Amino acid sequence: SQELEQSPQSLIVQEGKNLTINCTSSKTLYGLYWYKQKYGEGLIFLMMLQKGGEEKSHEKITAKLDEKKQQSSLHITASQPSHAGIYLCGADYQGAQKLVFGQGTRLTINP
Amino acid sequence: GAVVSQHPSWVICKSGTSVKIECRSLDFQATTMFWYRQFPKQSLMLMATSNEGSKATYEQGVEKDKFLINHASLTLSTLTVTSAHPEDSSFYICSAERGGSTEAFFGQGTRLTVV
Repeated sequence: SQELEQSPQSLIVQEGKNLTINCTSSKTLYGLYWYKQKYGEGLIFLMMLQKGGEEKSHEKITAKLDEKKQQSSLHITASQPSHAGIYLCGADYQGAQKLVFGQGTRLTINP
Repeated sequence: GAVVSQHPSWVICKSGTSVKIECRSLDFQATTMFWYRQFPKQSLMLMATSNEGSKATYEQGVEKDKFLINHASLTLSTLTVTSAHPEDSSFYICSAERGGSTEAFFGQGTRLTVV
């Protein structure tokens, strides 16, 4: 099984609705990164979590890291078309910024 | 903020030729850079770790003779895809490690198409 599991793989929500993407690691994380990507383009850095229980927000996106540092969730409130894209979580296990990525979640926002 | 520049952003080459992709850290020194590859509808997979002044460390299953990595300076790593074939067509992206920072800084990526 994968070291890092991201779910769901695909998500279609109506504009204005809230949504959550999860990222679960089989090992304790040193750090967890969230990125947004339009396929074939560069990564847009969203947030990086490092401390157990940490929560960060940017505009309508909130990311949390659990106390055990093995699970993170990304929550989008009142989704908008601009939120559409592929969301990737990346795990740093060594503190060396060498990342293992989840499978990605393709988010579609329907008007 | 730290900037990593990757060049070219896209390239089309003929089968059998070699292609070089550059990854530069513009405003910081990076002793370590990473190269990732992304297949259609798949996630990013680490190919190799590029260490300045020494040989790159390749992940299992990555052919080191096919994907040549050179990290000759603290601001530049290059990935050369040798004797490219259509199956090498992919999206390649680098990241640079910045000392004292916990954030990984990514380049814009390079879309390689081998025809």
